[in-house]
Amino acid sequence: DAKTTQPNSMESNEEEPVHLPCNHSTISGTDYIHWYRQLPSQGPEYVIHGLTSNVNNRMASLAIAEDRKSSTLILHRATLRDAAVYYCILRLGSGSARQLTFGSGTQLTVLP
Amino acid sequence: DTEVTQTPKHLVMGMTNKKSLKCEQHMGHRAMYWYKQKAKKPPELMFVYSYEKLSINESVPSRFSPECPNSSLLNLHLHALQPEDSALYLCASSQEAGFSGNTIYFGEGSWLTVV
Repeated sequence: DAKTTQPNSMESNEEEPVHLPCNHSTISGTDYIHWYRQLPSQGPEYVIHGLTSNVNNRMASLAIAEDRKSSTLILHRATLRDAAVYYCILRLGSGSARQLTFGSGTQLTVLP
Repeated sequence: DTEVTQTPKHLVMGMTNKKSLKCEQHMGHRAMYWYKQKAKKPPELMFVYSYEKLSINESVPSRFSPECPNSSLLNLHLHALQPEDSALYLCASSQEAGFSGNTIYFGEGSWLTVV
């Protein structure tokens, strides 16, 4: 199974950019990189996903390395409401195991 | 509307009770999922329904029984649970189960306590 590696925790100051790294060295060509976050006592929330090119949406940007073995989620200006567990997930492109399988994630703390 | 609605939000049940968790989505999605999440752990996949048919059962004990009455509804029937089954149960949906580029939308979850 393709797996991801993330730091257990990170801290950021409010209103500063945050770069959350993710390593996925065993990624296959058709695997999508998904990011979800989970705020305390809530269900996971979709953040962004991509295949090969960098992606932007209203919540964040996703920078994907050229060899696709790593990616970085970028929050451009962290707010206190961004404090959450961020999950980097590979959704396999083929086979029966295409489902979202969560790893341990990164706990982001935002300091005022 | 990108909402998955789960009821009840909280449920306390005895080990001999029978109860159900309910999930509803009106996004026209054809794939629906049940996840289980223990405290301070990531969610774990339990079941996947695709076009109202059970496509994946991740070796879940039979005391958990899923049901998909129609394309908008997903139930999880609970019977003879154990205290270690206490957890947050999350429902989710996506357009299709087989395309890995689809977004999966999660509900807020149902907090289950087995006493």
